[in-house]
Amino acid sequence: NAGVTQTPKFQVLKTGQSMTLQCAQDMNHEYMSWYRQDPGMGLRLIHYSVGAGITDQGEVPNGYNVSRSTTEDFPLRLLSAAPSQTSVYFCASKDGGLGQYFGPGTRLTVT
Amino acid sequence: GQQVMQIPQYQHVQEGEDFTTYCNSSTTLSNIQWYKQRPGGHPVFLIQLVKSGEVKKQKRLTFQFGEAKKNSSLHITATQTTDVGTYFCAGISNQFYFGTGTSLTVIP
Repeated sequence: NAGVTQTPKFQVLKTGQSMTLQCAQDMNHEYMSWYRQDPGMGLRLIHYSVGAGITDQGEVPNGYNVSRSTTEDFPLRLLSAAPSQTSVYFCASKDGGLGQYFGPGTRLTVT
Repeated sequence: GQQVMQIPQYQHVQEGEDFTTYCNSSTTLSNIQWYKQRPGGHPVFLIQLVKSGEVKKQKRLTFQFGEAKKNSSLHITATQTTDVGTYFCAGISNQFYFGTGTSLTVIP
């Protein structure tokens, strides 16, 4: 199993550009989530999904969209990038009531 | 809103010393999880605590969940250089709320 994969690993955007961060898992987990990690602020939940076709907002959803058309994929879309969205983004998945498996992360810089 | 605070933010210890990080929630949690993140890496799940007053051990690591299910701690006995990293708690109520993390440096 590849676990949780994320692409790209690094990305530089200009303010106002849009892009999609990809996340996929091959463990058949129903729950998937997106976090951003900023220095001194830990991990903050952006959006999560408890199964295909179901998504919900986390703590910091503004400026981000998600969709969950399949169990495997959970892309995160930045609508109009802003410098405040410069961060490290982690995707995670879990099975039932157990811990989350995190992907390797995407380092995003918005200039 | 929901807040999960973690202290200290940083901790430097000599190898062989003990280390403790504390996690406090503003509201009652259904359960709590602990994660470790090595420098440049991603968080890795360590353990989940569910019951009030629960204590679990993993080798040199001891995890506790408070009686009121609003606080938790992670204690490492006799730290080693392999313990270096940031330790996060994650409180779970209707969704996950991660603490701000404690960065542990172990001086050989």
